[in-house]
Amino acid sequence: KAGVTQTPRYLIKTRGQQVTLSCSPISGHRSVSWYQQTPGQGLQFLFEYFSETQRNKGNFPGRFSGRQFSNSRSEMNVSTLELGDSALYLCASSMDPSYQETQYFGPGTRLLVL
Amino acid sequence: AQKITQTQPGMFVQEKEAVTLDCTYDTSDQSYGLFWYKQPSSGEMIFLIYQGSYDEQNATEGRYSLNFQKARKSANLVISASQLGDSAMYFCAMRGGFQGAQKLVFGQGTRLTINP
Repeated sequence: KAGVTQTPRYLIKTRGQQVTLSCSPISGHRSVSWYQQTPGQGLQFLFEYFSETQRNKGNFPGRFSGRQFSNSRSEMNVSTLELGDSALYLCASSMDPSYQETQYFGPGTRLLVL
Repeated sequence: AQKITQTQPGMFVQEKEAVTLDCTYDTSDQSYGLFWYKQPSSGEMIFLIYQGSYDEQNATEGRYSLNFQKARKSANLVISASQLGDSAMYFCAMRGGFQGAQKLVFGQGTRLTINP
């Protein structure tokens, strides 16, 4: 079974631009979560989608948004980019958002904001 | 609120030795899951092992085992017979309760270096 895929893998943007990252979950997985990883803050939860509905959102400004499509694929968007948005963005999928379900991660998208 | 604490920023171990990575957690939930992930320099998070809060036996997966001490809120990862390829960042994480089960809460990680 194919793993979680994320595109693009690398991205360079300038301040003020916006960016869209894509995530395709493992086949059959309906829950998709997004995380931001930075050296200073570590791994932080952004949001989670299940059956096209955002179920939970982390403590991030409204510039960070996402959505999930009927095939469970998900996108996240960051508008008006800031230097501090430079990070590794990780997507993870699981069968459902139960505490017993393992989240499997994709390779991540490295975003550099100049 | 849930919290994971990993007190070892870095560890250096000789190849073929066993290594224990520490993890303590804090939660008021009765139902929760504990996970360990490995992150090589490439950045991908690789799932290693899972322990449920109601599991009475310690979880094992090949060379990985989880030393679960519920009363102490401790979930240490043990890697037996370490290999050079085990050099990576290791993260302990938990997923708990019902309202918060959507997200993983991570510790700060331990950088493990295996010396030949």
